[in-house]
Amino acid sequence: SQTIHQWPATLVQPVGSPLSLECTVEGTSNPNLYWYRQAAGRGLQLLFYSVGIGQISSEVPQNLSASRPQDRQFILSSKKLLLSDSGFYLCAWSVAGEIEKLFFGSGTQLSVL
Amino acid sequence: GQNIDQPTEMTATEGAIVQINCTYQTSGFNGLFWYQQHAGEAPTFLSYNVLDGLEEKGRFSSFLSRSKGYSYLLLKELQMKDSASYLCAVIDSNYQLIWGAGTKLIIKP
Repeated sequence: SQTIHQWPATLVQPVGSPLSLECTVEGTSNPNLYWYRQAAGRGLQLLFYSVGIGQISSEVPQNLSASRPQDRQFILSSKKLLLSDSGFYLCAWSVAGEIEKLFFGSGTQLSVL
Repeated sequence: GQNIDQPTEMTATEGAIVQINCTYQTSGFNGLFWYQQHAGEAPTFLSYNVLDGLEEKGRFSSFLSRSKGYSYLLLKELQMKDSASYLCAVIDSNYQLIWGAGTKLIIKP
């Protein structure tokens, strides 16, 4: 069966510090991978999605970046965090070409202070 | 622009029935999802509607009217564990997911 792992679960970082969130998927190959952010009381905002190794599409211009060094690994990074980067970050995957069902990781609650 | 509207918060009583509405204005339509999200946790899939009508799955049912740009999620025999946020999301003509802000459902004994 397919599983998705996302870590860490919670993170408190000072403004200006770097960020690295990691997500891995098991039990499937060539998945579509997504990074979402959810601000308190707001809908999910798509940050990045990837259809293959090294292929990253950015939906929102910001100081975050994403990388997919391996087929089932998706990394969200920042060189310098801003206060506005605080939120709940979710990694998700879907079968390639099928967005009809997204499977989410457990999420990372990021607080930038 | 694209927009998904759903009530911010609803309150219902344990054992009762509640209907959560969702209206959408999107560039095209390729399906509508409902997800459940408990506080601090990831959303979990509840239903997917692409054709008009009612889809029933146990205590949960989801209805879609494409002509009206309208869907609802119906929860029967409410349990305390149903207290959560319910997210409506639509796939547009570019196969992008557009998310509503979610409806926080509070269940009272």
